[in-house]
Amino acid sequence: GDSVTQMEGPVTLSEEAFLTINCTYTATGYPSLFWYVQYPGEGLQLLLKATKADDKGSNKGFEATYRKETTSFHLEKGSVQVSDSAVYFCALNPSNTGKLIFGQGTTLQVKP
Amino acid sequence: GAVVSQHPSRVICKSGTSVKIECRSLDFQATTMFWYRQFPKQSLMLMATSNEGSKATYEQGVEKDKFLINHASLTLSTLTVTSAHPEDSSFYICSALSQGGANEKLFFGSGTQLSVL
Repeated sequence: GDSVTQMEGPVTLSEEAFLTINCTYTATGYPSLFWYVQYPGEGLQLLLKATKADDKGSNKGFEATYRKETTSFHLEKGSVQVSDSAVYFCALNPSNTGKLIFGQGTTLQVKP
Repeated sequence: GAVVSQHPSRVICKSGTSVKIECRSLDFQATTMFWYRQFPKQSLMLMATSNEGSKATYEQGVEKDKFLINHASLTLSTLTVTSAHPEDSSFYICSALSQGGANEKLFFGSGTQLSVL
């Protein structure tokens, strides 16, 4: 069945460092892909999304490109801030129904 | 923006008791809500789809008699864990679908950490 695999955390970086969180997926068809972020004590928030191959989603300095050939959707940011500390979830929507399949989440800690 | 409120955020209960978790859409109507659970260091797993005015649709392997879902209004879905046991201890999170063509979006609650003693 469809699945999402994320790199294990926690990821600890210094402020202004480059961030990559790997995400690969297995799916039939052409799912939409998402990155969600969960700040402490809050709900999941949509960070960015891509709906077809080669699309690049971007928001708040984060980017991810839908790579069909490698079935990947890696999250990147050029310069992280302390305020980016959160848990990041990669997800796919195989059928555009709102039923998401999530990766296990990656905790990011950014130290000043 | 749209907000989904989930309550309580944390609950501790004795084995054998029932626990109710509420999920409310605060500024939009949600005909469809979803319930997920997450074990430590694992993915959020979809448990069921809650449809306003009709029975919930459960994912394979989820006991519908143990996890009762009620979606009696367009802004409220509840998940009741009946006769809870320690193995039900988990993080439960809901999401609500705001429909409207191009504005269709999915919003999540902040989750409920359930600990069964």
